[in-house]
Amino acid sequence: TQLLEQSPQFLSIQEGENLTVYCNSSSVFSSLQWYRQEPGEGPVLLVTVVTGGEVKKLKRLTFQFGDARKDSSLHITAAQPGDTGLYLCAGGGRETSGSRLTFGEGTQLTVNP
Amino acid sequence: DVKVTQSSRYLVKRTGEKVFLECVQDMDHENMFWYRQDPGLGLRLIYFSYDVKMKEKGDIPEGYSVSREKKERFSLILESASTNQTSMYLCASSLSGTSGSYEQYFGPGTRLTVT
Repeated sequence: TQLLEQSPQFLSIQEGENLTVYCNSSSVFSSLQWYRQEPGEGPVLLVTVVTGGEVKKLKRLTFQFGDARKDSSLHITAAQPGDTGLYLCAGGGRETSGSRLTFGEGTQLTVNP
Repeated sequence: DVKVTQSSRYLVKRTGEKVFLECVQDMDHENMFWYRQDPGLGLRLIYFSYDVKMKEKGDIPEGYSVSREKKERFSLILESASTNQTSMYLCASSLSGTSGSYEQYFGPGTRLTVT
């Protein structure tokens, strides 16, 4: 059973388009992280959200944590080829998991010039 | 900035060899983790450690062992490498869970091929 469901799994868009990636769970998390991973590299932390309803912006990226702290979304405005990569969400602080993170399977984004 | 380094970016080993993967972090983090990442399977936790000489099994510990003799260093050992252990191995570190932060910081990964 996948505890964090990410959708879509694959997304291929043209430069300049907007997109949204979703991360959903039936579990409540104390915090949720978003990472971006480029081919052959490790994931790089983009943002952490900790409060239900919280919205954080990182340039053209907007992250939102659901009110019930069970889901999150990542919205990219005017995507650029440099946004291409694997986007991973990860939830922390689940009651039975201690310091472990629960990872989604990722969304592979390709932005074509 | 947190820095996590891994001893090798690429490794090619033969079936049956003993393989050591090393990870070092410079932020005095209590927790360290080893994952493997395979297409279609996502990130899977092999082992983690929350203190020196302490370790806990993750989701797929079979065929692996770990060692943490110093706080900054966490080693993953493949006792007898097999072809199904060909994968991308990622090390990560984080503060103790009591800090309230669950952010993990990853190294660049080691691409291991077992032939």
